[in-house]
Amino acid sequence: SAVISQKPSRDICQRGTSLTIQCQVDSQVTMMFWYRQQPGQSLTLIATANQGSEATYESGFVIDKFPISRPNLTFSTLTVSNMSPEDSSIYLCSVRVSLSGNTIYFGEGSWLTVV
Amino acid sequence: QKEVEQDPGPLSVPEGAIVSLNCTYSNSAFQYFMWYRQYSRKGPELLMYTYSSGNKEDGRFTAQVDKSSKYISLFIRDSQPSDSATYLCAMTGMEYGNKLVFGAGTILRVKS
Repeated sequence: SAVISQKPSRDICQRGTSLTIQCQVDSQVTMMFWYRQQPGQSLTLIATANQGSEATYESGFVIDKFPISRPNLTFSTLTVSNMSPEDSSIYLCSVRVSLSGNTIYFGEGSWLTVV
Repeated sequence: QKEVEQDPGPLSVPEGAIVSLNCTYSNSAFQYFMWYRQYSRKGPELLMYTYSSGNKEDGRFTAQVDKSSKYISLFIRDSQPSDSATYLCAMTGMEYGNKLVFGAGTILRVKS
């Protein structure tokens, strides 16, 4: 398995501001992902964070709104830009651990409320 | 039609009951199947991981995959109030590049 730490765990943000969420893994992982879970909903993949290159975004998500960095194999950041109340969600970092086949683990999540 | 269908519940059972949670899917390309448990305002916790058809048991939990019917199940024996959570099925395959496709999640409530 992998231990995934996310910061912040929760925050209340003002409309129009941006917030960066950090994800740190205790071991090198092949793949890192960012998901969003809106209240009462299931998880939706935002993007795959690629080490040393631009992230791969899913349909409906764009780099200007959700810039992602992954400078090495254990760390990634997701920024939620120009926030609106519709961005109030849990943002989850997840990783695929190569030695565990296709097993994918999640962090505890970052609960953002935009007011 | 969604790729993965899961009844959102809520499912309410008495303590000690056997719980059956299910998902159906439409794409035969799915090869890897997972069940996650998620407590309120927490990240999903991996419970079971299975590859292709068959059963897998871990303590009180049994995961079952029937690829011919495109149907997966999670059974919880001797359910406890601490099992009260949302249970999410998820699946992926080579065609999906390891990206997970989730069900809607089933809310389970175990009453003491």
